[in-house]
Amino acid sequence: GAGVSQTPSNKVTEKGKYVELRCDPISGHTALYWYRQSLGQGPEFLIYFQGTGAADDSGLPNDRFFAVRPEGSVSTLKIQRTERGDSAVYLCASSFGPGGEQYFGPGTRLTVT
Amino acid sequence: GENVEQHPSTLSVQEGDSAVIKCTYSDSASNYFPWYKQELGKRPQLIIDIRSNVGEKKDQRIAVTLNKTAKHFSLHITETQPEDSAVYFCAASTSGFQKLVFGTGTRLLVSP
Repeated sequence: GAGVSQTPSNKVTEKGKYVELRCDPISGHTALYWYRQSLGQGPEFLIYFQGTGAADDSGLPNDRFFAVRPEGSVSTLKIQRTERGDSAVYLCASSFGPGGEQYFGPGTRLTVT
Repeated sequence: GENVEQHPSTLSVQEGDSAVIKCTYSDSASNYFPWYKQELGKRPQLIIDIRSNVGEKKDQRIAVTLNKTAKHFSLHITETQPEDSAVYFCAASTSGFQKLVFGTGTRLLVSP
């Protein structure tokens, strides 16, 4: 596709449930990033992949959050035992290589009830 | 770690006026400073960026200046138009331009 895509666009889940959020980066982009944006705030870094490996996961808030990118393209952000505080827009971005311009996807709005 | 502060939080101008948004950063090792524009419900879009070996960069009505000594950088928009209305975020990066640390955003409203 022409840009970064994310699915679903909206996700409503109950507290305690497990969710998966998907990101399809721009074709050929080796670097992929996940950010979280709460209402009225700037995006907050979660994790960065270079290829298949997580090069920097320092932004993951706790061990309920995990992300994978098994083939170096699509990435999935996984959240276990969701809490109401996890409600936010989860943004994915990709770049041609490490340090390249980051192109953002439209985000997944997660609401935990 | 890096901390980025952004001011003002809201800015209202008349069409045709200039707008200036300022950011300060804490980590002197930061070396990449992008600015993103985010319209309501849309994705952030890069509008301009600057690297630490450059003091100023301009692209049509948009310019960014960087003062490494004072650790601050600014976005300047001239001849503002209603379609410039959006939230603008500054960001800084130290780790090879990878992890971006964002400011809290400035809501710009341009009135016709």
